Amino acid sequence: KQEVTQIPAALSVPEGENLVLNCSFTDSAIYNLQWFRQDPGKGLTSLLLIQSSQREQTSGRLNASLDKSSGRSTLYIAASQPGDSATYLCAVISGGSYIPTFGRGTSLIVHP
Amino acid sequence: DAGVIQSPRHEVTEMGQEVTLRCKPISGHDYLFWYRQTMMRGLELLIYFNNNVPIDDSGMPEDRFSAKMPNASFSTLKIQPSEPRDSAVYFCASSLLPWTDPTATNEKLFFGSGTQLSVL
Repeated sequence: KQEVTQIPAALSVPEGENLVLNCSFTDSAIYNLQWFRQDPGKGLTSLLLIQSSQREQTSGRLNASLDKSSGRSTLYIAASQPGDSATYLCAVISGGSYIPTFGRGTSLIVHP
Repeated sequence: DAGVIQSPRHEVTEMGQEVTLRCKPISGHDYLFWYRQTMMRGLELLIYFNNNVPIDDSGMPEDRFSAKMPNASFSTLKIQPSEPRDSAVYFCASSLLPWTDPTATNEKLFFGSGTQLSVL
């Protein structure tokens, strides 16, 4: 059974810092991995999707990388802003299943 | 498209009552997922449908939970009878393509805003 772990569980940084969020998964036979953002009291919004054949994806200040062999993905946020404050979740879709498995998320606070 | 639409946004009910949550997926999406989110357990998949057919309901916690998808534009999640431990945020999500298509570029999963359920 696929298990997804996100470290750290919570993070508080000053505005302007570059930061890295980590996601690890136990079964490396994945089809793709997706990063989401969740604001308090809201649903999840897709940020980036990485296919299993890809190594990274970029969108603005966000960069997500994927290392299937080691079962890891990182989300890099450049020049963090208070508006980046939210919970970030990763989800993997494993071989033989159409079911996305989610991590518990990293709660990020960027203070001015 | 208005995205995935869930109703109600908030539901407060008493233990033992029947609760029905509703979801309208994005038009044309073949897959529909019901998730439950709690502080203790995070985001858990309850059931998912492909072309209106339930594929995997192994995440449904008990027989008190049931889900239907009578057509491509509507799904319900019902809890009968409800219990305080069912209190959570319930999300519906939909996607267009099978996740296993390596050539697809738009396999993203789209979530509704959720239903905050409180069972007293």
